[in-house]
Amino acid sequence: DQQVKQNSPSLSVQEGRISILNCDYTNSMFDYFLWYKKYPAEGPTFLISISSIKDKNEDGRFTVFLNKSAKHLSLHIVPSQPGDSAVYFCAASRLISGNMLTFGGGTRLMVKP
Amino acid sequence: DGGITQSPKYLFRKEGQNVTLSCEQNLNHDAMYWYRQDPGQGLRLIYYSQIVNDFQKGDIAEGYSVSREKKESFPLTVTSAQKNPTAFYLCASTDRVNQPQHFGDGTRLSIL
Repeated sequence: DQQVKQNSPSLSVQEGRISILNCDYTNSMFDYFLWYKKYPAEGPTFLISISSIKDKNEDGRFTVFLNKSAKHLSLHIVPSQPGDSAVYFCAASRLISGNMLTFGGGTRLMVKP
Repeated sequence: DGGITQSPKYLFRKEGQNVTLSCEQNLNHDAMYWYRQDPGQGLRLIYYSQIVNDFQKGDIAEGYSVSREKKESFPLTVTSAQKNPTAFYLCASTDRVNQPQHFGDGTRLSIL
């Protein structure tokens, strides 16, 4: 039973345009959400997070939106750059449980020059 | 520079053999984690430790064992009981529950 799902395995975007990566979760007890970026043969790198008390968090070109009623979060990258091409994982946790993360299956983003 | 070091980067295991993957961190983090990634899939939690000399099973602990004798070290042993060990193994750490986990660069384990 996948508690965190990324339904799009891949996404292709033109350089300079917006990339929108989506993530759905089923466990309403999750209260902390993160996005990681991963290159092949490397560990994931933390990008941005959001707690359930917020609905938006922004850091430079990256913005995460959280819709608790829909159990949905999204990552917006504006403008997209070729260096953003990687696999993006969303993750969720319950802070009271010790920050154990449940990951989605990942979305491969390809930004074309 | 502070960080998490995983070694070796590539590891080969013979049938029936136990192998140990190393994870060392100099971030002074209390909590450490082991994940497994299979091709095209997300990361799944194997074991985690929130403090020295204590660790808990994650979602897929069968066939694995860990120890946490020192704060900076959290080795993972893949035992012969793990029937499908070929995967990319990632170690992570964090210093408090509301902070993101930091990851090492992983060890790719293959079966000879």
